[in-house]
Amino acid sequence: QVQLQESGPGLVKPSETLSLTCTVSGGSISSYYWSWIRQPPGKGLEWIGSIYYSGSTNYNPSLKNRVTISVDTSNNQFSLNLSSVTAADTAVFYCARHDAGGKTLEYWGQGTLVTVSS
Amino acid sequence: QPVLTQSSSASASLGSSVNLTCTLSSGHSTYIIAWHQQQPGKAPRYLMKLENSGSYNKGSGVPDRFSGSSSGADRYLTISNLQSDDEADYYCETARVFGGGTKLTVL
Repeated sequence: QVQLQESGPGLVKPSETLSLTCTVSGGSISSYYWSWIRQPPGKGLEWIGSIYYSGSTNYNPSLKNRVTISVDTSNNQFSLNLSSVTAADTAVFYCARHDAGGKTLEYWGQGTLVTVSS
Repeated sequence: QPVLTQSSSASASLGSSVNLTCTLSSGHSTYIIAWHQQQPGKAPRYLMKLENSGSYNKGSGVPDRFSGSSSGADRYLTISNLQSDDEADYYCETARVFGGGTKLTVL
């Protein structure tokens, strides 16, 4: 059974860069698409961006200028960097794996709360 | 990109059935979608993938009480014999887009 685990700082200062890593276990990172999703407190889910194991990416247009997603196949991990954060970026961040066709999500991490505050 | 439209809330009595609807925007009526359940304070959980034919594939451990169906641009999640544990937010999703979610209350 595939499992995903997010890790990274729970507190980031305004204007700094938020960095998170997702570690995949129980399966290979190869041959799948992987995504980051966020959920501000009390609100719905927002897709941030996706990466294929080969390294090709696509990002939510509303965040594109601030987001970078990368993959490390040797360690079965992928990562998120979100720059120039503000309080509006405070959210629970989830990593997830797409199905074999790449169209829908099939596995979720447990999520990690990141608060942006000085 | 498709737009997914969901009612913001729904309610039904313990032991009854409920249908939740997700409507795909014009031009996207053939899209496969997924349904996810998010219980309070927890991560989303994948329930099923649902095709425009009405065929669906459930995730591991999803009870038989959960089923899916389709009609045109509408994708349905039916929960029968409602339990208190079913009280949650339900999201439909496809192509890197989420619906706004439906908050289900079990009375």
